[in-house]
Amino acid sequence: ETGVTQSPTHLIKTRGQQVTLRCSSQSGHNTVSWYQQALGQGPQFIFQYYREEENGRGNFPPRFSGLQFPNYSSELNVNALELDDSALYLCASSSGQGYETQYFGPGTRLLVL
Amino acid sequence: GENVEQHPSTLSVQEGDSAVIKCTYSDSASNYFPWYKQELGKRPQLIIDIRSNVGEKKDQRIAVTLNKTAKHFSLHITETQPEDSAVYFCAASIDDSGTYKYIFGTGTRLKVLA
Repeated sequence: ETGVTQSPTHLIKTRGQQVTLRCSSQSGHNTVSWYQQALGQGPQFIFQYYREEENGRGNFPPRFSGLQFPNYSSELNVNALELDDSALYLCASSSGQGYETQYFGPGTRLLVL
Repeated sequence: GENVEQHPSTLSVQEGDSAVIKCTYSDSASNYFPWYKQELGKRPQLIIDIRSNVGEKKDQRIAVTLNKTAKHFSLHITETQPEDSAVYFCAASIDDSGTYKYIFGTGTRLKVLA
């Protein structure tokens, strides 16, 4: 198992609400990437944080935002939740912003009703 | 646009047989290709990876081959065991203006029949 942890493990929200998901990176890692994995699909890149700054994002709207803290842990915030936001949210940490191996956390399963 | 195609979507093999999963990528600048195994309800776990300066890499029963000219790479599992049953994802790295992200394939569900 990796040293990447995520909380909470499961979450149920209603449409229009806001949610915050948390990720603690593996020791020695300064980069966190967030992915959305819909049922039966591969992970889709949301954005990446490197040394507390957003380092690029995928095709997700601005209501998906994030933060990285000095200890390199990270948060994913989603505003105005939609039904299609129901998915497994995975964070992955790595030791740099280059082509470094990413190690995934266990994920947070979000259900939007 | 950036894309990784993965085939087949499902694969059933008899225990002891070999399994091969193939991926094709679109960005010729991609140079890192990891493979992840995801069991039901669990996180994706890295099983093997390959960088573009290498054509083949092997780790016990698992091997990956890379053909940069054709932009495809493959996962080979020999002597399959029931515990190999899982969903396997390939990924290709993309350097998007300084952001190093992975584009994942759609996954292959491997069933090893005892």
